[in-house]
Amino acid sequence: KAGVTQTPRYLIKTRGQQVTLSCSPISGHRSVSWYQQTPGQGLQFLFEYFSETQRNKGNFPGRFSGRQFSNSRSEMNVSTLELGDSALYLCASSLVDRGDTQYFGPGTRLTVL
Amino acid sequence: DQQVKQNSPSLSVQEGRISILNCDYTNSMFDYFLWYKKYPAEGPTFLISISSIKDKNEDGRFTVFLNKSAKHLSLHIVPSQPGDSAVYFCAATGYSSASKIIFGSGTRLSIRP
Repeated sequence: KAGVTQTPRYLIKTRGQQVTLSCSPISGHRSVSWYQQTPGQGLQFLFEYFSETQRNKGNFPGRFSGRQFSNSRSEMNVSTLELGDSALYLCASSLVDRGDTQYFGPGTRLTVL
Repeated sequence: DQQVKQNSPSLSVQEGRISILNCDYTNSMFDYFLWYKKYPAEGPTFLISISSIKDKNEDGRFTVFLNKSAKHLSLHIVPSQPGDSAVYFCAATGYSSASKIIFGSGTRLSIRP
């Protein structure tokens, strides 16, 4: 069974631009969560989608948004990029609930110049 | 407000000895705890979990202990092996689908020969 895939793996943008990251969960997994990892901050929860609905949201500004498609694939969008948005963005999928084991993708490394 | 804290950013242990990684939490609503391991350039991988109805869970060389009264959990790795060198994240959540999964900032474990 294929694992969680994320595209692109690396991305360089400039301040003010917007970016869209993509995540394909493991087949059959319906919950997709997004996390931001920065040095010293660990993994910070962005949001979680289940059956095309945002089920939970972390404490990030409205510039961060996402969606989930009927095939459970998810996209995350960041608008008006800031230097502080440079981070590793990780996507994780699980069967139903976040109490289920989450399987992480390799992440997208975003650098904002 | 860090609800899940890993106060040791790094730990160095000799090969063959026991590695003990600690994690504290503040939210008494958490009832499910997980440990993840992360190698560079890869997403975190699930290691072991424990629910609040237990105080110990063992899987091979890995044992997680939960002390609910102290809101503290620890991961024991024995014996430590070179391949255990990685960043370890502690995470906490509730079983409810309304619960977020909150990660600690991670502890970098180095196993020295």
